[in-house]
Amino acid sequence: EVQLVESGGGLVQPGGSLRLSCAASGFTFSNYWMIWVRQAPGKGLEWVANINQDGSEKYYVDSVKGRFTISRDNTKNSLYLQMTSLRAEDTAVYYCARGRDCGYWGQGNLVTVSS
Amino acid sequence: DVVMTQSPLSLPVTLGQPASISCRSSQSLVYSDGNTYLNWFQQRPGQSPRRLFYNVSNRDSGVPDRFSGSGSGTDFTLKISRVEAEDVGVYYCMQGTHWPPWTFGQGTKVEIK
Repeated sequence: EVQLVESGGGLVQPGGSLRLSCAASGFTFSNYWMIWVRQAPGKGLEWVANINQDGSEKYYVDSVKGRFTISRDNTKNSLYLQMTSLRAEDTAVYYCARGRDCGYWGQGNLVTVSS
Repeated sequence: DVVMTQSPLSLPVTLGQPASISCRSSQSLVYSDGNTYLNWFQQRPGQSPRRLFYNVSNRDSGVPDRFSGSGSGTDFTLKISRVEAEDVGVYYCMQGTHWPPWTFGQGTKVEIK
């Protein structure tokens, strides 16, 4: 069974940093692109970042470029999102998903940026 | 960037009646390999999104056959032949042809009248 379990969210002050993790199981992690998608409270879905199978290709939505870094560790079947210089508008539930077509999703992790 | 426009944004439906959601893209979603990378997702209240269809009309495992996906080029439709209570939620289309960025529609909220 495919499972994606996010962790690392929480409350952080504006300008602060946070690292999200996504632990994958039930499939060959190194064979898939992985994606982060976020959803602000009461809003729709927004693509945040993608990474290819070996980590050599990374793409970001303009609003997070230079602040967020997507990475992966295929030996640990894990995906990461390092978030720095956080702003109030980054407050959202962050989901990791498998593949560029988002075939499977994690349960989501809430990040709240507030003083 | 490709803009995905869904309509309607709110869809009250009577149980047992059909429902239809439109998704239009600002550019053709046909990729150079001949595939059309248009996906549909369902998000029930309080849950994570779940993919229903990929490449326009390929139904994911476990998706009831009352759901269907169709369309081509820039016009796509998600249909529910007979709405059931468990279908309440928000439905999103997403394109994966012209990237980055990958873009979602605004979402269509399906509720029971």
